[in-house]
Amino acid sequence: GENVEQHPSTLSVQEGDSAVIKCTYSDSASNYFPWYKQELGKRPQLIIDIRSNVGEKKDQRIAVTLNKTAKHFSLHITETQPEDSAVYFCAASFTNDYKLSFGAGTTVTVRA
Amino acid sequence: GAVVSQHPSWVICKSGTSVKIECRSLDFQATTMFWYRQFPKQSLMLMATSNEGSKATYEQGVEKDKFLINHASLTLSTLTVTSAHPEDSSFYICSAMIGQQTQYFGPGTRLLVL
Repeated sequence: GENVEQHPSTLSVQEGDSAVIKCTYSDSASNYFPWYKQELGKRPQLIIDIRSNVGEKKDQRIAVTLNKTAKHFSLHITETQPEDSAVYFCAASFTNDYKLSFGAGTTVTVRA
Repeated sequence: GAVVSQHPSWVICKSGTSVKIECRSLDFQATTMFWYRQFPKQSLMLMATSNEGSKATYEQGVEKDKFLINHASLTLSTLTVTSAHPEDSSFYICSAMIGQQTQYFGPGTRLLVL
């Protein structure tokens, strides 16, 4: 099955700085890569996703890049704010079964 | 749009009892829903795929007779934890798939088995 690795496990940034989280996947058939943000005790919220036919996608302060050859994708958050503090999960799936394989998560803390 | 609800939000039960958790897609129809379990400070682990009108598909290591899943309509899937034991205590989250592969999550159900 698909194996998704996520780094770093924790990330502390100064407010206004950028945060980058990286994930690698094992199955070259994976073609859909969402990112979720989960606050303590809450549901995971989809913040951005990318499909394998696209190399980069941006939504305001959030961007995701995908390198299919190297089988890795990254989340970039610019101009971080305290409300960006949360656990972020990357995931991968392919159209055969739509099952999401999640990374271990990154706890992001934005220091005011 | 794409709102998923879950009920109850938390439940405390005695060991040996059964607990039913409902997952509903409120503003869209979901042929496919998923059930996950999340232990504290860990990632989401897929338990099973729930398909409307057919049997659920369970992940390796998940007992289908213990975690009964029913997807009777396009907006409702239920997970019943049968004969619950303390080790079943966890955060159970469902998701519903919309369009191509996009999953939206319910708010989760925190289960505590005494």
